[in-house]
Amino acid sequence: QQQVKQSPQSLIVQKGGISIINCAYENTAFDYFPWYQQFPGKGPALLIAIRPDVSEKKEGRFTISFNKSAKQFSLHIMDSQPGDSATYFCAAGNSNSGYALNFGKGTSLLVTP
Amino acid sequence: DAGVTQSPTHLIKTRGQQVTLRCSPKSGHDTVSWYQQALGQGPQFIFQYYEEEERQRGNFPDRFSGHQFPNYSSELNVNALLLGDSALYLCASSSKRETGGFKGAFFGQGTRLTVV
Repeated sequence: QQQVKQSPQSLIVQKGGISIINCAYENTAFDYFPWYQQFPGKGPALLIAIRPDVSEKKEGRFTISFNKSAKQFSLHIMDSQPGDSATYFCAAGNSNSGYALNFGKGTSLLVTP
Repeated sequence: DAGVTQSPTHLIKTRGQQVTLRCSPKSGHDTVSWYQQALGQGPQFIFQYYEEEERQRGNFPDRFSGHQFPNYSSELNVNALLLGDSALYLCASSSKRETGGFKGAFFGQGTRLTVV
């Protein structure tokens, strides 16, 4: 069964707006939560990751918010740009399992000019 | 510094055949994981190799096997190919010995396998 559930499936945001993608997980053993960006024909690229001991992590325009009690985490892309148009995947892993990643189904983001 | 490299980039095979995909990890990395990504889906974990041994395995049949070499590069083998094996196969490398802990898994560009 899908261990990480991601929504929405697709998202359209105007340039300069905020893109928000949400993920939920069930397995409380997960202790590593990365986000990946994938362009057509390319492999996923690591954007940002968070551990459950912090509630928020920011790197440039990308912010992860993490809610351990709700078992949810989200990616916020501030000042979204057309170049951000891509598919975004959340994932979860466990240090005791070698950080083998369980991915969400992905969100296709389109940023319009 | 070369990142993760995979070969070939594209491959077409006939049902029932066998295929071998190759991966060279990022410099300094010692762990290789393989993922299968069907069209429009997220990657699915196949297995992970460290110190030339399979350490973790996802929910894939025994037709999927692998190997890691002393230089940390890896191969993924799939026997008795099915039409449903058509997918993008991704290799990700990481390190179990990084100072400060795990720094993430880095993916190659993938091998697009088409089974006809």
